[in-house]
Amino acid sequence: DIQMTQSPSTLSASVGDRVTITCRASQSVGTWLAWYQQKPGKAPKLLIYKASSLESGVPSRFTGSGSGTEFTLTISSLQPDDFATYYCQHYHSYLYTFGQGTKLEIK
Amino acid sequence: QVHLVQSGPEVRRPGASVKVSCKTSGYIFTTYGITWVRQAPGQRPEWMGWISGYNGNTNYAEKVQDRVTMTTDTSTSTAYMELRSLRSDDTAVYYCARGEGFADYWGQGTLVTVSP
Repeated sequence: DIQMTQSPSTLSASVGDRVTITCRASQSVGTWLAWYQQKPGKAPKLLIYKASSLESGVPSRFTGSGSGTEFTLTISSLQPDDFATYYCQHYHSYLYTFGQGTKLEIK
Repeated sequence: QVHLVQSGPEVRRPGASVKVSCKTSGYIFTTYGITWVRQAPGQRPEWMGWISGYNGNTNYAEKVQDRVTMTTDTSTSTAYMELRSLRSDDTAVYYCARGEGFADYWGQGTLVTVSP
């Protein structure tokens, strides 16, 4: 199985900051990678698919990049609604797996 | 608009079975698959498997493949996930979601609690 590792696990930031979350795969997943945002008690929300494609309705401050084994999610200017947990997920080959999550906290 | 509405919370004893439903609306059911994902408390989501809305083909995670069955009813645009021989570590929120690789619409989740 392909293992997904995110860093950092926790990130403290302020409104207006630019932040970057990294996701590394244990082997190449091409660009078969998605990013989700999850808030407590809610289902994950799709932000990015195919590594860099922005899901419809998601603000343009969210940007995904990368290929192979290293990927990043960047939020250009944090808004209050962005404080949540973020997960990457590969869908290159079964078994699809998620990273352990990055909790974005208010500084 | 697209909606996936799941059945309510369940409590089961170890060794029992549970069947969760996922009623969809707002799109043509047979043009998308349904993925099932579960999330134990404080843990990352875990992909359980996928079923084609077109022909019912399935792919299950090896961890649960001997205990899980995913089905669909195209007449009601509903997907089902049955998990048998429940154990305490099956306690989780179970989600259905539209899509085979990435999932763009999700149900609200169904809490399944396995307790003696």
